[in-house]
Amino acid sequence: GENVEQHPSTLSVQEGDSAVIKCTYSDSASNYFPWYKQELGKRPQLIIDIRSNVGEKKDQRIAVTLNKTAKHFSLHITETQPEDSAVYFCAARRAVYNQGGKLIFGQGTELSVKP
Amino acid sequence: DTGVSQNPRHKITKRGQNVTFRCDPISEHNRLYWYRQTLGQGPEFLTYFQNEAQLEKSRLLSDRFSAERPKGSFSTLEIQRTEQGDSAMYLCASSLARLAGGQETQYFGPGTRLLVL
Repeated sequence: GENVEQHPSTLSVQEGDSAVIKCTYSDSASNYFPWYKQELGKRPQLIIDIRSNVGEKKDQRIAVTLNKTAKHFSLHITETQPEDSAVYFCAARRAVYNQGGKLIFGQGTELSVKP
Repeated sequence: DTGVSQNPRHKITKRGQNVTFRCDPISEHNRLYWYRQTLGQGPEFLTYFQNEAQLEKSRLLSDRFSAERPKGSFSTLEIQRTEQGDSAMYLCASSLARLAGGQETQYFGPGTRLLVL
């Protein structure tokens, strides 16, 4: 069945260090992989995404890499800041036109950036 | 506010009661999704609509749950005969799916937190 595994469940880093979160998906037909950031008591917000025809995507301090063969993708945050502290969720989606766009989420990673 | 909105934000009910939640998507978004999130877990898909048509329901979704999107705009999620295990955050998301395909970003609402006593 469809499943996304996310590791680690918690991650603590010093301000300025890098953070890496990894996800593995089971559905080989998945072709879209977003990452959401959820601060305590707030809604999930998209921070970056990648499609299966791309191996890497960067947006300032955030980057995502995708290995389709191994069916895993990773989030990289460089020069972490205290405001990066939140729960991060990876997700995968099989997007076939008119046949659904549901997201399958990982379990989440609680990132803590210590000043 | 032009984002996804949900009401109520919090709901406390007694076991066995019925509850209804409302989601107002971003204007002109044709897809609307319902997810459930329990503490320490990622959102879990429940159901979704394209315009007014309900196109998919999770196999895990009990028949006590029903959702509607009668005019292709706002949606309601009803839970009948609530159980303590229904306690969770219920999230709504909307997106614009285009004929040509391409990226379809889901924007989430703030959620309705349900507590069943």
